[in-house]
Amino acid sequence: QKEVEQDPGPLSVPEGAIVSLNCTYSNSAFQYFMWYRQYSRKGPELLMYTYSSGNKEDGRFTAQVDKSSKYISLFIRDSQPSDSATYLCAMRALIQGAQKLVFGQGTRLTINP
Amino acid sequence: GAGVSQSPRYKVAKRGQDVALRCDPISGHVSLFWYQQALGQGPEFLTYFQNEAQLDKSGLPSDRFFAERPEGSVSTLKIQRTQQEDSAVYLCASSLRRRGGTNEKLFFGSGTQLSVL
Repeated sequence: QKEVEQDPGPLSVPEGAIVSLNCTYSNSAFQYFMWYRQYSRKGPELLMYTYSSGNKEDGRFTAQVDKSSKYISLFIRDSQPSDSATYLCAMRALIQGAQKLVFGQGTRLTINP
Repeated sequence: GAGVSQSPRYKVAKRGQDVALRCDPISGHVSLFWYQQALGQGPEFLTYFQNEAQLDKSGLPSDRFFAERPEGSVSTLKIQRTQQEDSAVYLCASSLRRRGGTNEKLFFGSGTQLSVL
């Protein structure tokens, strides 16, 4: 079983809808949580990161972490066609020497005009 | 350029051929990572450099994979005797901070798509 599980979708929603993307993880050492967006034939780009349980908001994006349930979410409000991409969750342990990010499989999202 | 540059963009190799993939990180970035991304999957860690030192190579799948960063800037990922299962996108990423930095932002290149026939 993978350390990070993410539903690959695909997910297709109409423009303006609220999108919810989720990941679960099994490694309690993970303390640093990120969401990346990846457009076709491009590298991932960081959207949001957080350390603590709770919500973090940035414009139309909200990242939510529940460490007790080992569950993280990304919400996109007022979704736009330009949000169509693959969304990857990633996480890392905050211990000396732990540099690598562990990614989920990615969820392919399409926003229909 | 302002971002991480990778070359070639696409590489087709015959099985058994050796390949070399190049990464030019953002100038001044200390940390450099290589990831492998199979079709429909998330990136998987291969190796990590801080300047010229390779501090973690635990993700390299076999001894056919070798990475170097001799002068602490450009890095090369070499794959010897390529096999079909090596077909993937190879992503390079760099960040400014040293080991131990907690919120360093990783900047990814667009990757090299390797196809082994």
